[in-house]
Amino acid sequence: TQLLEQSPQFLSIQEGENLTVYCNSSSVFSSLQWYRQEPGEGPVLLVTVVTGGEVKKLKRLTFQFGDARKDSSLHITAAQPGDTGLYLCAGDSGGSNYKLTFGKGTLLTVNP
Amino acid sequence: KAGVTQTPRYLIKTRGQQVTLSCSPISGHRSVSWYQQTPGQGLQFLFEYFSETQRNKGNFPGRFSGRQFSNSRSEMNVSTLELGDSALYLCASSSTGAFGNEQFFGPGTRLTVL
Repeated sequence: TQLLEQSPQFLSIQEGENLTVYCNSSSVFSSLQWYRQEPGEGPVLLVTVVTGGEVKKLKRLTFQFGDARKDSSLHITAAQPGDTGLYLCAGDSGGSNYKLTFGKGTLLTVNP
Repeated sequence: KAGVTQTPRYLIKTRGQQVTLSCSPISGHRSVSWYQQTPGQGLQFLFEYFSETQRNKGNFPGRFSGRQFSNSRSEMNVSTLELGDSALYLCASSSTGAFGNEQFFGPGTRLTVL
């Protein structure tokens, strides 16, 4: 069974601080996705990383896929209250699996 | 383009009852997946359908079932409800469910079992 471990589970920071969220597995994934979920809503896709070592930037968010495609990180620079939410990583093992394996998420609170 | 819609948004049932949840995918998307989200277990995969065929199923008891119609709309059914079935049930659609498998989620149906 493939598992994705996310850390930290909870993170509470002040506006303007930087933070990094980690997503680790012992399994290789063909791609990895990051989602953000707000209360009462479904997750919203932020980015998909496919190539080992790949780095993608989305404004103040930087996503990295590990060289071995087993881990990923999300770095937020100068966090803002609007960044508050549950951040989820999800791995796709590809082939004929047709499913995503999700980490349990990191609940981020950015205080003004 | 309209997003994924799920109905109803909230549902309260009692133990032993059954429930049917509905999902309409994004127009043109043929893959529909269902997930159960709870605080303790996070998002867990239930099943995935493509062109009316179930291609994958998660580790849930047979009380959980689903189907997909020719217009790609999907329903999931839970029979003989248990207290532990209380959760947010999320539906996601993607164009093919294949490589990359970027999924677009609906707002979910919040099921409470009393």
